[in-house]
Amino acid sequence: GDSVTQMEGPVTLSEEAFLTINCTYTATGYPSLFWYVQYPGEGLQLLLKATKADDKGSNKGFEATYRKETTSFHLEKGSVQVSDSAVYFCALSEKTSGNQFYFGTGTSLTVIP
Amino acid sequence: DAGVIQSPRHEVTEMGQEVTLRCKPISGHNSLFWYRQTMMRGLELLIYFNNNVPIDDSGMPEDRFSAKMPNASFSTLKIQPSEPRDSAVYFCASKRQGANTGELFFGEGSRLTVL
Repeated sequence: GDSVTQMEGPVTLSEEAFLTINCTYTATGYPSLFWYVQYPGEGLQLLLKATKADDKGSNKGFEATYRKETTSFHLEKGSVQVSDSAVYFCALSEKTSGNQFYFGTGTSLTVIP
Repeated sequence: DAGVIQSPRHEVTEMGQEVTLRCKPISGHNSLFWYRQTMMRGLELLIYFNNNVPIDDSGMPEDRFSAKMPNASFSTLKIQPSEPRDSAVYFCASKRQGANTGELFFGEGSRLTVL
């Protein structure tokens, strides 16, 4: 079945450091891939998405590229800020699974000044 | 536009009491999901509906949990009787069915504490 595996946390970085959070997926068809972010005390909100192979999603300085050959969708940011401290979830949705969403376990990021 | 609206935002109750959580999805969205989030187990899908019909309830922990969607603009998640291990944040989310490229929109969650 469909699933998402993401890097375990927590991750602690200094401000302006480079961020990578790894995400790999298993899917039977051609899924859409997503990164969601959850700030403390809030619900999840979409950070970026990619709907087909080689697409790059980007938002707020974050990027992720849909790599079919490695079944990956790693999240990157060149220079993190304290305000990026949150929990990040990788997810996929696929038509053959009734468009159900499959989420990874989440990776907690703390950025220190 | 209003997002997904959940109520109550916080609920504290005693073991054995009935708890009802409510959700109003975004207008025009016909898929609705209930998730539970805890530190130990992360984000778990409990049940989801397409066009008000439950499609997959395999995530519902046990018979104490039930969910309904009587119409396109309202859903409830009920726990009866509640137990301390039910303490969690419960999220409702909605999207347009059939759009696998579509975003899933989350509410702000209902934080349940069972004493």
